[in-house]
Amino acid sequence: SAVISQKPSRDICQRGTSLTIQCQVDSQVTMMFWYRQQPGQSLTLIATANQGSEATYESGFVIDKFPISRPNLTFSTLTVSNMSPEDSSIYLCSADSGNTIYFGEGSWLTVV
Amino acid sequence: ILNVEQSPQSLHVQEGDSTNFTCSFPSSNFYALHWYRWETAKSPEALFVMTLNGDEKKKGRISATLNTKEGYSYLYIKGSQPEDSATYLCAFNYGGSQGNLIFGKGTKLSVKP
Repeated sequence: SAVISQKPSRDICQRGTSLTIQCQVDSQVTMMFWYRQQPGQSLTLIATANQGSEATYESGFVIDKFPISRPNLTFSTLTVSNMSPEDSSIYLCSADSGNTIYFGEGSWLTVV
Repeated sequence: ILNVEQSPQSLHVQEGDSTNFTCSFPSSNFYALHWYRWETAKSPEALFVMTLNGDEKKKGRISATLNTKEGYSYLYIKGSQPEDSATYLCAFNYGGSQGNLIFGKGTKLSVKP
């Protein structure tokens, strides 16, 4: 199993600013992922964070808006850039350990 | 577009009732079906990872079945307890990256004492 810590757990952000979410896993994992859940919607994959190379983004998500770092096998960050109210969501970090995907507790962002 | 549907959207039951939810997913390119339990302000908790048609898995009072040919999975809770109150998510993994999960919107279960 894997225990995943995320911070911040919650924040209120001003429109136009950027916020970086940190994700720490208690063991080395090959694959880390970032998901988003907008109000009333499903959890949606933003990107796969690859260690030592650029993240792989899903359709509808771009690096300029959601830059991701993955400096080692236990840590990743997601930045939400130039935020607008539409970015108000829960952002979850996850990691692949064995055949199970584990999740952090999420970062609840509200953009005002 | 790959779509995962869950029903019902929400469910209110009395303590002791047994209940079940449905997850529908594409029947092609199937790799795995995941069930999660998500309480507010906590991490989604992995319940089951199901890969074989006809699979049936059990964890305490919770069990799940899988039909990959027709594209559905059922989650059953026997004798619901207030602590079972949560949103239950299913996620379809169609291969490639293990972590590329397509989630349904979830079933929100409320169990009244």
